[in-house]
Amino acid sequence: RKEVEQDPGPFNVPEGATVAFNCTYSNSASQSFFWYRQDCRKEPKLLMSVYSSGNEDGRFTAQLNRASQYISLLIRDSKLSDSATYLCVVRHSSNTGKLIFGQGTTLQVKP
Amino acid sequence: EAGVAQSPRYKIIEKRQSVAFWCNPISGHATLYWYQQILGQGPKLLIQFQNNGVVDDSQLPKDRFSAERLKGVDSTLKIQPAKLEDSAVYLCASSLDREWTQYFGPGTRLLVL
Repeated sequence: RKEVEQDPGPFNVPEGATVAFNCTYSNSASQSFFWYRQDCRKEPKLLMSVYSSGNEDGRFTAQLNRASQYISLLIRDSKLSDSATYLCVVRHSSNTGKLIFGQGTTLQVKP
Repeated sequence: EAGVAQSPRYKIIEKRQSVAFWCNPISGHATLYWYQQILGQGPKLLIQFQNNGVVDDSQLPKDRFSAERLKGVDSTLKIQPAKLEDSAVYLCASSLDREWTQYFGPGTRLLVL
């Protein structure tokens, strides 16, 4: 079993749609959680951290459920520019700060 | 502020050949990471340096891969000899310290024929 698992995708949605991505992690000792965005043939970039209380950044909302070991990302009012692969990322509790990446979910927003 | 620099951007080699990648992290960043990203997968950590010391190399195939970070700044990753399954993007990242945000370079796309 992979340590971080994501919806396989791809997600094809029209502009303006709301779309949600889910992710589960297996290591209950994981301490920090993130969503990274990776455009086609580009490097991953931090989109947002995920906090237990849930957090929002504009059209993006991230949620964490530690009991279920579940992370989500909600994108409202999708834009063409949101088309990318979204990577769910977990940091180990070890003192190395090691990040474990999910395989990513591809989003294609169509006009 | 300059980002993480990597070279070359693309490399095509035949199996059993050797190849080396170079990374220059963001100035002042103590922690440097090398990741391998195979098509359709997320990045996988190969090796992590703290200054010029290795912190984690548990997933580095040490029979063929090696890496160094002399003087705690630039780093090189070498594959010798390459196999077909080494075809991937090799990403370098750096962070101010171990649990700070990691910034990625553009990557080196390696194709082994």
